[in-house]
Amino acid sequence: AQKVTQAQTEISVVEKEDVTLDCVYETRDTTYYLFWYKQPPSGELVFLIRRNSFDEQNEISGRYSWNFQKSTSSFNFTITASQVVDSAVYFCALSEANFGNEKLTFGTGTRLTIIP
Amino acid sequence: GAGVSQSPRYKVAKRGQDVALRCDPISGHVSLFWYQQALGQGPEFLTYFQNEAQLDKSGLPSDRFFAERPEGSVSTLKIQRTQQEDSAVYLCASSLQGYPSEQYFGPGTRLTVT
Repeated sequence: AQKVTQAQTEISVVEKEDVTLDCVYETRDTTYYLFWYKQPPSGELVFLIRRNSFDEQNEISGRYSWNFQKSTSSFNFTITASQVVDSAVYFCALSEANFGNEKLTFGTGTRLTIIP
Repeated sequence: GAGVSQSPRYKVAKRGQDVALRCDPISGHVSLFWYQQALGQGPEFLTYFQNEAQLDKSGLPSDRFFAERPEGSVSTLKIQRTQQEDSAVYLCASSLQGYPSEQYFGPGTRLTVT
């Protein structure tokens, strides 16, 4: 069975600080996909990134970066120079790489508050 | 282009009533998913369609929950004889085709059962 753990329930940081959101996953599959989604107060989940299990290269997109470490089953998300607009709930999710079984298993989310 | 739309956005039902929640996926998206999100929790998978075929309904919590997508486009999630524990946000998502396409989510329908 798949499982995603986001141990940090809530985080608050002052604007312009860096912040890292942790994600640990469990799966028996050797091939799988990991995702991060953002859920702002409006409620609509916004896709941020998808990584496959064969690609452990870290990725950077503007102020966002992701650190995938298969050895520790972690896929952490860092926001650099945080801004108030980054305030949201962030979800990490896992999907098996099997045709016909594309459902996402989500963690419980981390509520991030950026203090101006 | 238009995203995933859901209606109604809010629904209040008395315990025992039947409800129907609608999802309009992004045009051309083959896959459609329903998730249930309880307050303070992450979304939990309910069911999945590829075109009109329901390939996975393992997440439906009881036989009171039923979903359909008869023409491979719009989908309806129906809940019969609603119970208080059904109160949640119901999210619909669509993806272009197959894995590992990212799923695009609608705004959700907040169901409150009184």
